[in-house]
Amino acid sequence: AAGVIQSPRHLIKEKRETATLKCYPIPRHDTVYWYQQGPGQDPQFLISFYEKMQSDKGSIPDRFSAQQFSDYHSELNMSSLELGDSALYFCASSRWGRIYNEQFFGPGTRLTVL
Amino acid sequence: GDSVTQMEGPVTLSEEAFLTINCTYTATGYPSLFWYVQYPGEGLQLLLKATKADDKGSNKGFEATYRKETTSFHLEKGSVQVSDSAVYFCALSGSNAGGTSYGKLTFGQGTILTVHP
Repeated sequence: AAGVIQSPRHLIKEKRETATLKCYPIPRHDTVYWYQQGPGQDPQFLISFYEKMQSDKGSIPDRFSAQQFSDYHSELNMSSLELGDSALYFCASSRWGRIYNEQFFGPGTRLTVL
Repeated sequence: GDSVTQMEGPVTLSEEAFLTINCTYTATGYPSLFWYVQYPGEGLQLLLKATKADDKGSNKGFEATYRKETTSFHLEKGSVQVSDSAVYFCALSGSNAGGTSYGKLTFGQGTILTVHP
């Protein structure tokens, strides 16, 4: 079965640089979520999109922005990178309106800021 | 806001031992509850779920029962294997009285399980 695809899997950037993470949801899934997981920590919700509109916002820094495109893939843009942005970034997808919110996670993008 | 609390500290067991990982939650409305597992270097995999009170989720020998009266969703397995070594996250997704999910997942701190042969 098709799974959530994230690219790149690994990314190394310098401080103050910009990074773009991509997420391709499972076919027919219309909702995308982004989470950030710091070393040894639990995943923290950043932002979500439903039908290309932002549906919820969590602890996402103002330096970060995201969008969902017409083909439902999503991109997380991160500017003025800081050392503290080093983390595993997960994308998850689901179908909105289901009774329960079963989210399927991608393998994650490991971002290292030097 | 919503929150999830898991038992603190790593858990180390011998193979075939009984496992319990405690999870309690605070939420308004009618949350759905989940257990996710993360193997080293990998993403999160849904292990089991329960969407209403008294539901029991089960998968691969793991079980958890949604206890509304104690706001708990403890994970259990009768006989663990070395291959069960991973990090386990309890999570919830809030929902309204009609059961429509609010979306985002709120995770507990995670519990590292190590099983020795």
